[in-house]
Amino acid sequence: TQLLEQSPQFLSIQEGENLTVYCNSSSVFSSLQWYRQEPGEGPVLLVTVVTGGEVKKLKRLTFQFGDARKDSSLHITAAQPGDTGLYLCAGELQETSGSRLTFGEGTQLTVNP
Amino acid sequence: AAGVIQSPRHLIKEKRETATLKCYPIPRHDTVYWYQQGPGQDPQFLISFYEKMQSDKGSIPDRFSAQQFSDYHSELNMSSLELGDSALYFCASSFTSGAITDTQYFGPGTRLTVL
Repeated sequence: TQLLEQSPQFLSIQEGENLTVYCNSSSVFSSLQWYRQEPGEGPVLLVTVVTGGEVKKLKRLTFQFGDARKDSSLHITAAQPGDTGLYLCAGELQETSGSRLTFGEGTQLTVNP
Repeated sequence: AAGVIQSPRHLIKEKRETATLKCYPIPRHDTVYWYQQGPGQDPQFLISFYEKMQSDKGSIPDRFSAQQFSDYHSELNMSSLELGDSALYFCASSFTSGAITDTQYFGPGTRLTVL
């Protein structure tokens, strides 16, 4: 059973389009991170959100943490081919004492020129 | 800025052999995590250490062991390797202050291939 459900798993869009990736759970997270991963490389941190309802912006990327801290979204405005990659959400479950990250399945984004 | 360093980047072993993966955390980070990522899968937590003590344990096989040393680097020892152990192994590090653990930063990974 996947604790963090990420959708869609695959997304292919044209340059200039907008897109949203969702990360949902029935569990509460004390924090949630979004990473981007290239093939054969380690996940690179994009953002950390810790407060329910928090919104963070990173250039054309907007991240939101749900009020109940059970879900998050990543919105990309005017996508560019350089945005192509695997996007992973990962969170620390509030119910666990350790700080292990639970990952979503990832969204493979392809932006076509 | 300095990042997490992992070595080796690639490792090829035969079945039943042993392997040792090394991780050097970001300077001043005191917590190290190990994750395993199979082909087409998301990373799965194996084990973590804080101040040289095991702090959490996930789905790590009994054939694997790990430790964190006084300089905070960590090693993952894998014995009796199986074909299914072929995966990307990531180390991540963070700074822990009291009950608060900061964001985890990942290394580039070690690709282990078991033949």
